[in-house]
Amino acid sequence: EIVLTQSPGTLSLSPGERVTLSCRASQSVSSSFLAWYLQKPGQPPRLLIYGASSRATGIPDRVSGSGSGTDFTLTLSRLEPEDFGVYYCQHYGSSPFTFGPGTKVDMK
Amino acid sequence: QVQLVESGGGVVQPGRSLRLSCAASGFTFSTFAMHWVRQAPGKGLEWVALISYDGSKTYYADSVKGRFTISRDNSKNTLYLQMNSLRPEDTAVYYCARDLWPGGSGRSGFGSWGQGTLVTVSS
Repeated sequence: EIVLTQSPGTLSLSPGERVTLSCRASQSVSSSFLAWYLQKPGQPPRLLIYGASSRATGIPDRVSGSGSGTDFTLTLSRLEPEDFGVYYCQHYGSSPFTFGPGTKVDMK
Repeated sequence: QVQLVESGGGVVQPGRSLRLSCAASGFTFSTFAMHWVRQAPGKGLEWVALISYDGSKTYYADSVKGRFTISRDNSKNTLYLQMNSLRPEDTAVYYCARDLWPGGSGRSGFGSWGQGTLVTVSS
């Protein structure tokens, strides 16, 4: 089973700031089967990035993903009010489809 | 547009059973792999089970293997999760989710999610 670790656990930021989130896997993620989701309170998660770097439909280009192997990064170039919530990375492509513990981004 | 609507949640005693349903619309259900994902109160996301687009393959998290069964009825555009021998630690919001792309079995990320249904296991 691939275990995902996310850092930091919590970030307090202001709109307009740049943010970089990290996701590290316990073993190499094949074919970059790595996704990122954002979950806001009381809502289901929303897919942001798949294949480590491909943006899902409707996701603005200020959101970007990068990485391969065991180290992955999600970057938001300028935080907007709608970007606050909990970010999860996920390994998919083979069972079990594990999620990281999440990084909470809240407003300073 | 894609809609996934879960139902069947509620309060159940430990050791009892419950069946969740997920009604799908807005897409060709029979061509997409489907998943159940759960989230305990105040906790993170936990993948529970996957079923391939045609129902021929199923996969489970170790925490539910042997107790939960995922199934689908493509003629009714509905996904199911039969949960037996429920435990207090199964208490969670249960989401159904669809693969991003058709075909395959969980090889494209989870592109659409329902709003979830709450299952509470308590005596």
